[in-house]
Amino acid sequence: DAGVIQSPRHEVTEMGQEVTLRCKPISGHNSLFWYRQTMMRGLELLIYFNNNVPIDDSGMPEDRFSAKMPNASFSTLKIQPSEPRDSAVYFCASSQRQGTGTYETQYFGPGTRLLVL
Amino acid sequence: GQNIDQPTEMTATEGAIVQINCTYQTSGFNGLFWYQQHAGEAPTFLSYNVLDGLEEKGRFSSFLSRSKGYSYLLLKELQMKDSASYLCAVRSKGGATNKLIFGTGTLLAVQP
Repeated sequence: DAGVIQSPRHEVTEMGQEVTLRCKPISGHNSLFWYRQTMMRGLELLIYFNNNVPIDDSGMPEDRFSAKMPNASFSTLKIQPSEPRDSAVYFCASSQRQGTGTYETQYFGPGTRLLVL
Repeated sequence: GQNIDQPTEMTATEGAIVQINCTYQTSGFNGLFWYQQHAGEAPTFLSYNVLDGLEEKGRFSSFLSRSKGYSYLLLKELQMKDSASYLCAVRSKGGATNKLIFGTGTLLAVQP
């Protein structure tokens, strides 16, 4: 069974360019999460979706960041314009949300390593 | 607010036992997770605690005390492949019940 798929795996771009990161969650999962990981700040939740609907985007740093989930099998995270401080590893994770009183495990994709020059 | 504290780094010897601590302060609590992350790879799930006590899973065990806001991950019979970062994450109680807040991780180095 395929895990979470992310593309590209590596991205090098210049400041001011638009960057689009893509994620395909595990089939059947109904929650999707975008995280950013840096040495200084660790793993930070940017936004997450339940059933394709954004639930909490309080972690999105600023208006330059946007995320969409047009269907259950695809999501994008876009940075426009990109800045050097956006350089990080961006992870997508998915889970199958259970009922109350239970928990669900988040499964992470391999990540996209973004370098903005 | 929410705060999760873990030691930044630890070193242990192959075959030994190591305990990685995590303390948390959250506005609500609905479970604590431990994830393992090898360098350059994605985090992978290790354990989950929501009630007080010890959960054992092979060489790994995780303990939780909700009254103290404290958890630890215990690794026994350490192997070189256990060298990784260990992330503690807390799930909040409330509407966003599947949102996790991660600590910055503990980098464990296992030496021969």
